[in-house]
Amino acid sequence: NFMLTQPHSVSESPGKTVTISCTRSSGRIASDYVQWYQQRPGSSPTTVIYEDNQRPSGVPDRFSGSIDSSSNSASLTISDLKTEDEADYYCQSSYNSNWVFGGGTTLTVL
Amino acid sequence: EVQLAETGGGLIQPGGSLRLSCAASGFTVSYNYMTWVRQAPGKGLEWVSLTYNHDKSHYADSVKGRFTASRDDSKNMFYLQMNSLRADDTAVYFCTRGRFGDPIYWGQGTLVTVSS
Repeated sequence: NFMLTQPHSVSESPGKTVTISCTRSSGRIASDYVQWYQQRPGSSPTTVIYEDNQRPSGVPDRFSGSIDSSSNSASLTISDLKTEDEADYYCQSSYNSNWVFGGGTTLTVL
Repeated sequence: EVQLAETGGGLIQPGGSLRLSCAASGFTVSYNYMTWVRQAPGKGLEWVSLTYNHDKSHYADSVKGRFTASRDDSKNMFYLQMNSLRADDTAVYFCTRGRFGDPIYWGQGTLVTVSS
């Protein structure tokens, strides 16, 4: 088993770029795909990145995902921030058919 | 269009049972993997179960032996039977659909409250 650690909160101004990290505690980050979910208040989660760096249709190209083997972490980068990007963001990966979620990061755009 | 709709939540006493349903449209449940994920009030996401298209299921330790996921291919439905419910099972329960090469799709969730 492993844990995914995310910062509790991040904040940035509109138009800027923010990166949210997701660090895997054991095992290689590249051994299983990482997904990123956005959850706005009162709504169900939606997928913004799947399989490390794939963007679903309809998700703006301001959203991008990557993995870094040297830090054993995944990252979600949102550029040209908009107020509508304010939400909770969760990373998720898996091992042996069990899903693992990060604790979530609250993004504030102010 | 892929759509998922959960129903069956409600208020249940500790020790009771409840069955959640997930109606799928726009895809065939039996050809995809399906999961249940829950979110306790004010908390983060917690994985509950994953069922592959060959009907084998995996469960989180917190629900193993109490919850059972299943599907009805004739109705294109996915279910979660929850037994021996506890207060810490109180959460919104989401079903999701996954397929390699595709994003995960989420339903809108159904609230389960375990309380006397």
